[in-house]
Amino acid sequence: GESVGLHLPTLSVQEGDNSIINCAYSNSASDYFIWYKQESGKGPQFIIDIRSNMDKRQGQRVTVLLNKTVKHLSLQIAATQPGDSAVYFCAENLGDYKLSFGAGTTVTVRA
Amino acid sequence: GAVVSQHPSWVICKSGTSVKIECRSLDFQATTMFWYRQFPKQSLMLMATSNEGSKATYEQGVEKDKFLINHASLTLSTLTVTSAHPEDSSFYICSAKTGGRNEQFFGPGTRLTVL
Repeated sequence: GESVGLHLPTLSVQEGDNSIINCAYSNSASDYFIWYKQESGKGPQFIIDIRSNMDKRQGQRVTVLLNKTVKHLSLQIAATQPGDSAVYFCAENLGDYKLSFGAGTTVTVRA
Repeated sequence: GAVVSQHPSWVICKSGTSVKIECRSLDFQATTMFWYRQFPKQSLMLMATSNEGSKATYEQGVEKDKFLINHASLTLSTLTVTSAHPEDSSFYICSAKTGGRNEQFFGPGTRLTVL
């Protein structure tokens, strides 16, 4: 079946550097994508979303890029902080608001 | 605003018993709630979608008779794991959305351990 996947399972980044987390999706009909952050033992926390009619959206310290040509989604975190250490998931809307989550990337911030 | 709670946060039970998990939207009315399961170091897998007052819609491979879902009000959905077995041990997470928004708000999750 079609699914959303992540290129890298882990990412280690120096505090203060920028982080880039990638995600590949295969359903070309998907029109809505979301990035979530999940800390250990907690539920996912919404970070930022983007619709398919956009290619870039910025939030506070985060930017999501969408490349529909290659079906690729990325999350950029500026000036990564220790509190950014978590697992990051991309998710795509399958329709009827049902979400399909990617495998997840574990981000570890080095002091 | 948009807070979702789950109760209990963790539960340990014996094999063969049933466990009920509650999901509540505290400050908004949730027309739709979703239940997910997450095994250690894995992603969230959608189990079912429940709309208030209607029967839940289950994803392929999820046994509806084992995972009973009730969405009796606009602020409460329950998931009952019947005749639980060790392989049902997992992190169960619910989410809720209102009719006017795309965004889903996630609960903190319930850790189920079946001995």
